[in-house]
Amino acid sequence: DVKVTQSSRYLVKRTGEKVFLECVQDMDHENMFWYRQDPGLGLRLIYFSYDVKMKEKGDIPEGYSVSREKKERFSLILESASTNQTSMYLCASSPSGKGTDTQYFGPGTRLTVL
Amino acid sequence: GESVGLHLPTLSVQEGDNSIINCAYSNSASDYFIWYKQESGKGPQFIIDIRSNMDKRQGQRVTVLLNKTVKHLSLQIAATQPGDSAVYFCAENPTSNTGKLIFGQGTTLQVKP
Repeated sequence: DVKVTQSSRYLVKRTGEKVFLECVQDMDHENMFWYRQDPGLGLRLIYFSYDVKMKEKGDIPEGYSVSREKKERFSLILESASTNQTSMYLCASSPSGKGTDTQYFGPGTRLTVL
Repeated sequence: GESVGLHLPTLSVQEGDNSIINCAYSNSASDYFIWYKQESGKGPQFIIDIRSNMDKRQGQRVTVLLNKTVKHLSLQIAATQPGDSAVYFCAENPTSNTGKLIFGQGTTLQVKP
């Protein structure tokens, strides 16, 4: 079974703090994704990566950056957290960039910024 | 713009009945569709997928129907059980070479005992 893990289930940070969210997958997948999920807005893509050290902006990249130094690990960075970044963050991975790839999700990190 | 939408935010069914969850998509070029289930406090879980060259696919207690003429996707759950209570998302792949998906906002399925 594909396993995608996220470093924290719940996280509370203060405004202005630098926040790291870590995601690891164990299936040698090429693609990895970061989403945020908010009530009424569904899943929105922040960033994705199709290879080590490669990244592409998604639909809402502002206020975020990412890092992919190893194939299995994809990190989401909030350089200076703000209250409007309070959300559920979901990481996903898929085998390759082909159009028939299923994305597999981690359990999510619920981030609260005070 | 592209959008994937579910027709109803909440669906309430009696245990043992069949459930039908609907989804409309806007990109006629989309060639791959997925249904996910998300239980409270968990990440979305893959249920079933279908490619655009098919109009029906069956899994265990679930069936996905694709009507490309009206750009409509549905998920049918047979003999709905309390464990089926969750939010269900449809997703489409609008381009063939990026693996990016567009998600609907989700329908909450409530199963009454």
